[in-house]
Amino acid sequence: QQPVQSPQAVILREGEDAVINCSSSKALYSVHWYRQKHGEAPVFLMILLKGGEQKGHDKISASFNEKKQQSSLYLTASQLSYSGTYFCGTDTLYSGGGADGLTFGKGTHLIIQP
Amino acid sequence: ETGVTQSPTHLIKTRGQQVTLRCSSQSGHNTVSWYQQALGQGPQFIFQYYREEENGRGNFPPRFSGLQFPNYSSELNVNALELDDSALYLCASSLGTSGRAWDNEQFFGPGTRLTVL
Repeated sequence: QQPVQSPQAVILREGEDAVINCSSSKALYSVHWYRQKHGEAPVFLMILLKGGEQKGHDKISASFNEKKQQSSLYLTASQLSYSGTYFCGTDTLYSGGGADGLTFGKGTHLIIQP
Repeated sequence: ETGVTQSPTHLIKTRGQQVTLRCSSQSGHNTVSWYQQALGQGPQFIFQYYREEENGRGNFPPRFSGLQFPNYSSELNVNALELDDSALYLCASSLGTSGRAWDNEQFFGPGTRLTVL
């Protein structure tokens, strides 16, 4: 089942902060965050794994609440380059370790204005 | 280090035809995943290949098939094209292990835009 992202869209001024949320109805093993600019490929931001391990870029901050099956991506002191669509992808806990699929949400559109 | 490449970049086909899309993995990667991305939607998982074997499949009919070659490049084949198959097709490579399939970041290619008329 597809995770739900919120908000659907957000407009910020350069330097402002934003939080993007991702919620699943299933128990999760990991949450993945990607950013996609218009006409480009998605770019990896972070993986948050059950148990607390994180893999990602130092400038990206995110949290993963395993009990609530929720993750949040924190964008602080936003820059113009942060504009794009942010997708969370979820790997469910009982997929047996195989590639049952990374399920992506519909995305959050982020616009940063000067 | 060479990134993920896909060919062709654009393709126009008619209903009922067959299409083959190609993907070259990033150097050192042994896993390729294919996604379909409709306009305004997130990528939807089609299937994954790990070391030349299909390692999982999403909710796509059998007319979507694939291959992974010894050099870890990959093909996506779609038979009997339908209008709804029009989308951006993305491949992503990663360094997988024999365990869970999603523990490492994926590197996406630029995609192939398929239009079915």
